[in-house]
Amino acid sequence: EAEVAQSPRYKITEKSQAVAFWCDPISGHATLYWYRQILGQGPELLVQFQDESVVDDSQLPKDRFSAERLKGVDSTLKIQPAELGDSAMYLCASSMRLAETQYFGPGTRLLVL
Amino acid sequence: DAKTTQPTSMDCAEGRAANLPCNHSTISGNEYVYWYRQIHSQGPQYIIHGLKNNETNEMASLIITEDRKSSTLILPHATLRDTAVYYCIVRLAGGGGADGLTFGKGTHLIIQP
Repeated sequence: EAEVAQSPRYKITEKSQAVAFWCDPISGHATLYWYRQILGQGPELLVQFQDESVVDDSQLPKDRFSAERLKGVDSTLKIQPAELGDSAMYLCASSMRLAETQYFGPGTRLLVL
Repeated sequence: DAKTTQPTSMDCAEGRAANLPCNHSTISGNEYVYWYRQIHSQGPQYIIHGLKNNETNEMASLIITEDRKSSTLILPHATLRDTAVYYCIVRLAGGGGADGLTFGKGTHLIIQP
């Protein structure tokens, strides 16, 4: 069964450092999402792509976060500089197209010291 | 904010049916009810979704009331591996724009041996 791949699975960094996460969606899925999940809460959307275009980045803290999906396939989420409050699980999801069922990857757990 | 209300936690005995309720009294006619679950430290897993008819798949059954203001997810024979946080989510059926999922806090289901 096809799955969403994410790497790394775990990342420890110091505050003010840069960090990047990678996501490879299910093959053929045009829509890709990045979510952030703080411990004890549900995931919250950061950014949504349709192919290589951003559909929604209204909740992305653009002063420090950036996301790209240059060829409309895999995607990278970057934080620079990282802050203590960025410690969370970063989840990637994909769907065949808009309004279709979203399938999630295993997530990247970030700890900022 | 999430458009659903779920109990914070529930217990169920192993081998029995687990019935998880969800209230979505403000749901509109073009919104689906989706269920996901999240086992500790993993990404959310899609379970099932429905619009107004009851649905069944290999994982669970979804019962939606006739007025669509509430629903119940049924795991017919719960096992210890079903211990997880279960999220009930309402989302638009149509496409064409931002459609990130809005998660609440979910129900922590604990299966007792």
